[in-house]
Amino acid sequence: QKEVEQDPGPLSVPEGAIVSLNCTYSNSAFQYFMWYRQYSRKGPELLMYTYSSGNKEDGRFTAQVDKSSKYISLFIRDSQPSDSATYLCAMKGRDDKIIFGKGTRLHILP
Amino acid sequence: NAGVTQTPKFQVLKTGQSMTLQCAQDMNHEYMSWYRQDPGMGLRLIHYSVGAGITDQGEVPNGYNVSRSTTEDFPLRLLSAAPSQTSVYFCASSYSQTEIATQYFGPGTRLTVL
Repeated sequence: QKEVEQDPGPLSVPEGAIVSLNCTYSNSAFQYFMWYRQYSRKGPELLMYTYSSGNKEDGRFTAQVDKSSKYISLFIRDSQPSDSATYLCAMKGRDDKIIFGKGTRLHILP
Repeated sequence: NAGVTQTPKFQVLKTGQSMTLQCAQDMNHEYMSWYRQDPGMGLRLIHYSVGAGITDQGEVPNGYNVSRSTTEDFPLRLLSAAPSQTSVYFCASSYSQTEIATQYFGPGTRLTVL
């Protein structure tokens, strides 16, 4: 079983829709959970990170962690064409090593 | 404040050639790292450094060398390029290794080895 699994997509949704991006993981030692956004031919940029379980909101973005199910989500409300990018989930345990998901390509259709 | 910068943006090499990918940051970050990103493989850690003079191997270090003589710079050397090293390379930095969750990435170097 891979440590972090993420559906590669592509995921296409109409502008204004709510987007749900998800990752599952197998290592219960993970404590920090991150979401990166990567535009085409650019470097990843950190969108949000959360520690342990719960929700974190930042503008149109909400990150959710369910440690009991080993499942994390990123929700994007009122999606915009500028949200079209690849979204990478990432996780870190006590050993300070980050494991990345392979990324989900998202297309927001105008 | 330029953040993390990488040069060159693009490079084409022939098998067996050597080259150095440059990475610099102006945020006084102690922790720096190199990743490669390949289709279907995600980001994989090549080498990292927790401070000047200290480097260590990541997940895929073979064929690459690093050194860290200053806090600002962390070059990645390809000793004898192979087609399997065709990839996009990203440098990243954070204030410390424990704050790696908030690391900043550079814009990347696209390398093709023929």
